[in-house]
Amino acid sequence: GEDVEQSLFLSVREGDSSVINCTYTDSSSTYLYWYKQEPGAGLQLLTYIFSNMDMKQDQRLTVLLNKKDKHLSLRIADTQTGDSAIYFCAESGSSASKIIFGSGTRLSIRP
Amino acid sequence: EAGVTQFPSHSVIEKGQTVTLRCDPISGHDNLYWYRRVMGKEIKFLLHFVKESKQDESGMPNNRFLAERTGGTYSTLKVQPAELEDSGVYFCASSQGTSLNYEQYFGPGTRLTVT
Repeated sequence: GEDVEQSLFLSVREGDSSVINCTYTDSSSTYLYWYKQEPGAGLQLLTYIFSNMDMKQDQRLTVLLNKKDKHLSLRIADTQTGDSAIYFCAESGSSASKIIFGSGTRLSIRP
Repeated sequence: EAGVTQFPSHSVIEKGQTVTLRCDPISGHDNLYWYRRVMGKEIKFLLHFVKESKQDESGMPNNRFLAERTGGTYSTLKVQPAELEDSGVYFCASSQGTSLNYEQYFGPGTRLTVT
């Protein structure tokens, strides 16, 4: 079946880089996503990567995809307090209808 | 442009009661989705509407859950009777198209607590 796994918590110092890792099982995934949920807010699509890409960079965000190992990571450079949120890894799965999410990684920033 | 809105933001009910959640998609979006996050676990797909028709309801947990989208605009999700394990955050999303090229825009969610 389709499954997405990620660690539950990550704590980093302000100004350091954050790396959130994720593994997935569905080799037919077309898109892989990172969503951000801030307190009291909905899910915001942060970035995505097409399955035939290895890397995507967007300002402070870098997404790395290892399709062979079914491993996806999100690196946030120069982590700021505003980056505190839950980050969900997700994949498009085999259906265009639904997105398969992980359990979310809560990123906390310490001074 | 208004985003996806959900009502209420939080609902607390007793086991055995009925609750109806509402979702208003972005205007013009024919596709509407319901998802649920239970107990800090993964967000799980419940179902997908295209206009007023159920395209995929493979994620609906059981027949205590009823989703409707009469008229193809807003949608409701009714839980009757509610059980303790139904507690969680219910998210609604909408998109312009069905294919993977269309982003799903999510609402803020409704937090349901069943006591």
